[in-house]
Amino acid sequence: GQNIDQPTEMTATEGAIVQINCTYQTSGFNGLFWYQQHAGEAPTFLSYNVLDGLEEKGRFSSFLSRSKGYSYLLLKELQMKDSASYLCAVRGSARQLTFGSGTQLTVLP
Amino acid sequence: EPEVTQTPSHQVTQMGQEVILRCVPISNHLYFYWYRQILGQKVEFLVSFYNNEISEKSEIFDDQFSVERPDGSNFTLKIRSTKLEDSAMYFCASSSNRRAGSKETQYFGPGTRLLVL
Repeated sequence: GQNIDQPTEMTATEGAIVQINCTYQTSGFNGLFWYQQHAGEAPTFLSYNVLDGLEEKGRFSSFLSRSKGYSYLLLKELQMKDSASYLCAVRGSARQLTFGSGTQLTVLP
Repeated sequence: EPEVTQTPSHQVTQMGQEVILRCVPISNHLYFYWYRQILGQKVEFLVSFYNNEISEKSEIFDDQFSVERPDGSNFTLKIRSTKLEDSAMYFCASSSNRRAGSKETQYFGPGTRLLVL
Protein backbone atom coordinates (compact mmCIF):
# COMPACT_ATOMS: atom_id res chain seq x y z
CA GLY A 1 0.00 0.00 0.00
CA GLN A 2 0.88 3.66 -0.07
CA ASN A 3 1.30 5.95 2.91
CA ILE A 4 2.41 9.55 2.76
CA ASP A 5 2.80 11.76 5.82
CA GLN A 6 3.29 15.50 6.05
CA PRO A 7 2.49 18.04 8.75
CA THR A 8 -1.03 19.41 8.69
CA GLU A 9 -0.18 23.05 9.26
CA MET A 10 2.80 25.37 9.38
CA THR A 11 3.15 29.09 9.97
CA ALA A 12 6.04 31.33 8.94
CA THR A 13 6.82 35.00 8.55
CA GLU A 14 7.17 36.92 5.31
CA GLY A 15 10.79 36.90 4.14
CA ALA A 16 11.66 33.80 6.15
CA ILE A 17 12.57 30.27 5.05
CA VAL A 18 10.31 27.29 5.69
CA GLN A 19 10.89 23.56 5.23
CA ILE A 20 7.94 21.22 4.69
CA ASN A 21 8.75 17.56 5.28
CA CYS A 22 7.20 14.49 3.70
CA THR A 23 7.78 10.84 4.49
CA TYR A 24 6.44 8.02 2.38
CA GLN A 25 6.11 4.26 2.20
CA THR A 26 5.07 3.06 -1.22
CA SER A 27 5.14 -0.08 -3.32
CA GLY A 28 7.46 0.95 -6.13
CA PHE A 29 8.87 4.42 -6.61
CA ASN A 30 9.02 6.45 -9.80
CA GLY A 31 9.35 9.95 -8.47
CA LEU A 32 8.12 12.40 -5.89
CA PHE A 33 6.26 15.56 -6.78
CA TRP A 34 5.39 18.72 -4.88
CA TYR A 35 2.31 20.66 -5.83
CA GLN A 36 0.91 23.94 -4.54
CA GLN A 37 -2.83 24.27 -4.08
CA HIS A 38 -4.64 27.48 -3.23
CA ALA A 39 -8.07 27.06 -1.69
CA GLY A 40 -10.67 26.04 -4.26
CA GLU A 41 -8.12 25.77 -7.05
CA ALA A 42 -6.25 23.02 -8.87
CA PRO A 43 -2.88 21.69 -7.75
CA THR A 44 -0.06 23.37 -9.66
CA PHE A 45 3.26 21.63 -10.22
CA LEU A 46 6.26 22.87 -8.25
CA SER A 47 8.99 20.25 -8.36
CA TYR A 48 9.98 16.69 -9.14
CA ASN A 49 12.66 14.42 -7.66
CA VAL A 50 13.47 10.88 -8.70
CA LEU A 51 17.15 10.70 -7.69
CA ASP A 52 18.59 11.50 -4.29
CA GLY A 53 19.63 15.07 -3.74
CA LEU A 54 18.49 18.63 -4.04
CA GLU A 55 16.66 20.21 -6.97
CA GLU A 56 16.61 23.99 -6.96
CA LYS A 57 14.15 26.14 -8.84
CA GLY A 58 14.21 29.80 -7.92
CA ARG A 59 12.82 30.33 -4.41
CA PHE A 60 11.77 26.69 -4.20
CA SER A 61 14.01 23.66 -3.63
CA SER A 62 13.12 20.03 -3.09
CA PHE A 63 15.20 17.27 -1.58
CA LEU A 64 14.84 13.51 -1.77
CA SER A 65 16.36 10.59 0.12
CA ARG A 66 15.01 7.34 -1.32
CA SER A 67 16.68 5.16 1.31
CA LYS A 68 14.92 7.11 4.06
CA GLY A 69 11.64 7.56 2.22
CA TYR A 70 11.92 11.28 2.88
CA SER A 71 11.57 14.52 1.01
CA TYR A 72 11.32 18.16 1.88
CA LEU A 73 10.24 21.31 0.10
CA LEU A 74 12.18 24.43 1.00
CA LEU A 75 10.64 27.83 0.36
CA LYS A 76 12.89 30.87 0.66
CA GLU A 77 12.08 34.58 0.89
CA LEU A 78 8.50 33.81 1.74
CA GLN A 79 5.82 36.02 0.27
CA MET A 80 2.20 36.42 1.34
CA LYS A 81 1.09 34.73 -1.87
CA ASP A 82 2.91 31.56 -0.78
CA SER A 83 0.11 30.95 1.72
CA ALA A 84 -1.39 27.74 0.33
CA SER A 85 -1.54 24.01 0.81
CA TYR A 86 1.58 22.10 -0.29
CA LEU A 87 0.95 18.58 -1.48
CA CYS A 88 3.53 15.83 -1.52
CA ALA A 89 2.71 13.15 -4.11
CA VAL A 90 4.46 9.92 -5.04
CA ARG A 91 4.31 8.04 -8.30
CA GLY A 92 4.62 4.33 -7.58
CA SER A 93 4.88 1.49 -10.03
CA ALA A 94 1.86 2.75 -11.97
CA ARG A 95 1.54 6.25 -13.39
CA GLN A 96 -1.00 7.66 -10.99
CA LEU A 97 -0.03 9.92 -8.13
CA THR A 98 -0.73 9.17 -4.48
CA PHE A 99 -1.10 12.39 -2.55
CA GLY A 100 -0.46 13.25 1.05
CA SER A 101 -3.05 15.23 2.96
CA GLY A 102 -1.20 18.47 2.32
CA THR A 103 0.47 21.01 4.57
CA GLN A 104 -1.42 24.27 4.99
CA LEU A 105 1.18 27.04 5.10
CA THR A 106 0.22 30.43 6.48
CA VAL A 107 2.61 33.31 5.83
CA LEU A 108 2.24 36.15 8.31
CA PRO A 109 3.30 39.76 7.67
CA GLU B 1 0.94 28.16 -22.28
CA PRO B 2 -1.22 25.07 -22.94
CA GLU B 3 -3.53 24.08 -20.13
CA VAL B 4 -6.12 21.52 -19.18
CA THR B 5 -9.66 22.87 -19.25
CA GLN B 6 -12.77 21.49 -17.58
CA THR B 7 -16.48 22.15 -17.84
CA PRO B 8 -18.65 22.91 -16.05
CA SER B 9 -16.90 24.69 -13.21
CA HIS B 10 -19.82 23.89 -10.90
CA GLN B 11 -22.56 21.26 -11.13
CA VAL B 12 -25.48 20.76 -8.77
CA THR B 13 -27.52 17.60 -9.17
CA GLN B 14 -30.09 15.51 -7.39
CA MET B 15 -29.14 12.16 -5.88
CA GLY B 16 -29.66 9.39 -8.41
CA GLN B 17 -29.13 11.60 -11.44
CA GLU B 18 -26.42 11.07 -14.02
CA VAL B 19 -23.70 13.65 -14.49
CA ILE B 20 -21.02 14.02 -17.12
CA LEU B 21 -17.92 16.01 -16.38
CA ARG B 22 -15.87 17.18 -19.31
CA CYS B 23 -12.18 17.79 -19.79
CA VAL B 24 -9.98 18.91 -22.64
CA PRO B 25 -6.44 17.68 -21.93
CA ILE B 26 -3.33 19.40 -23.25
CA SER B 27 -3.28 18.65 -26.96
CA ASN B 28 -0.10 16.57 -27.33
CA HIS B 29 -0.58 14.62 -24.11
CA LEU B 30 -1.15 10.89 -24.16
CA TYR B 31 -2.18 10.01 -20.61
CA PHE B 32 -5.31 11.26 -18.94
CA TYR B 33 -6.45 11.04 -15.34
CA TRP B 34 -9.36 11.81 -13.09
CA TYR B 35 -8.84 12.64 -9.43
CA ARG B 36 -11.28 13.84 -6.83
CA GLN B 37 -10.96 15.86 -3.66
CA ILE B 38 -13.69 15.81 -1.07
CA LEU B 39 -13.82 19.11 0.81
CA GLY B 40 -11.02 19.25 3.39
CA GLN B 41 -9.54 15.91 2.34
CA LYS B 42 -6.68 14.71 0.19
CA VAL B 43 -6.61 14.44 -3.59
CA GLU B 44 -7.52 10.86 -4.53
CA PHE B 45 -6.83 9.02 -7.77
CA LEU B 46 -9.84 7.64 -9.64
CA VAL B 47 -8.71 6.42 -13.05
CA SER B 48 -6.05 6.71 -15.72
CA PHE B 49 -6.60 6.36 -19.44
CA TYR B 50 -4.23 5.69 -22.32
CA ASN B 51 -4.69 4.62 -25.90
CA ASN B 52 -8.47 4.65 -25.57
CA GLU B 53 -8.66 2.35 -22.62
CA ILE B 54 -8.46 2.42 -18.84
CA SER B 55 -4.92 1.64 -17.66
CA GLU B 56 -5.45 1.86 -13.89
CA LYS B 57 -8.37 2.48 -11.59
CA SER B 58 -8.79 2.81 -7.86
CA GLU B 59 -11.29 1.20 -5.52
CA ILE B 60 -13.35 4.38 -5.67
CA PHE B 61 -13.90 3.92 -9.41
CA ASP B 62 -16.74 1.40 -9.19
CA ASP B 63 -19.44 0.47 -11.70
CA GLN B 64 -21.14 3.84 -11.24
CA PHE B 65 -18.22 5.54 -12.95
CA SER B 66 -17.11 5.42 -16.55
CA VAL B 67 -14.71 7.37 -18.73
CA GLU B 68 -14.68 8.03 -22.42
CA ARG B 69 -12.74 9.89 -25.06
CA PRO B 70 -15.58 10.51 -27.50
CA ASP B 71 -13.50 12.51 -29.96
CA GLY B 72 -9.94 13.68 -30.43
CA SER B 73 -10.05 16.32 -27.76
CA ASN B 74 -12.57 15.62 -24.99
CA PHE B 75 -12.18 13.25 -22.05
CA THR B 76 -15.28 12.68 -19.94
CA LEU B 77 -16.15 11.21 -16.57
CA LYS B 78 -19.70 9.93 -16.15
CA ILE B 79 -21.31 9.13 -12.84
CA ARG B 80 -24.42 7.08 -13.58
CA SER B 81 -26.42 7.47 -10.40
CA THR B 82 -24.95 10.07 -8.10
CA LYS B 83 -24.81 9.62 -4.34
CA LEU B 84 -24.45 12.25 -1.65
CA GLU B 85 -20.89 11.10 -1.02
CA ASP B 86 -19.93 11.87 -4.63
CA SER B 87 -19.95 15.56 -3.74
CA ALA B 88 -16.38 16.68 -4.33
CA MET B 89 -14.08 18.63 -6.60
CA TYR B 90 -13.20 16.53 -9.64
CA PHE B 91 -9.87 17.25 -11.31
CA CYS B 92 -8.79 16.10 -14.73
CA ALA B 93 -5.07 15.84 -15.41
CA SER B 94 -2.92 14.94 -18.38
CA SER B 95 0.70 14.05 -19.02
CA SER B 96 2.79 13.40 -22.06
CA ASN B 97 5.74 11.12 -21.68
CA ARG B 98 5.58 7.50 -22.77
CA ARG B 99 8.44 6.35 -20.57
CA ALA B 100 7.47 5.54 -16.98
CA GLY B 101 10.05 6.76 -14.49
CA SER B 102 10.81 9.88 -16.47
CA LYS B 103 9.75 13.33 -15.45
CA GLU B 104 6.18 12.89 -16.56
CA THR B 105 4.50 15.81 -14.91
CA GLN B 106 0.76 15.69 -14.58
CA TYR B 107 -0.94 19.01 -15.22
CA PHE B 108 -4.27 19.56 -13.54
CA GLY B 109 -7.34 21.33 -14.81
CA PRO B 110 -9.23 23.86 -12.68
CA GLY B 111 -11.73 21.26 -11.52
CA THR B 112 -15.50 20.78 -11.47
CA ARG B 113 -17.16 21.25 -8.11
CA LEU B 114 -19.97 18.67 -7.91
CA LEU B 115 -22.68 19.01 -5.31
CA VAL B 116 -25.17 16.18 -4.94
CA LEU B 117 -28.36 17.06 -3.07
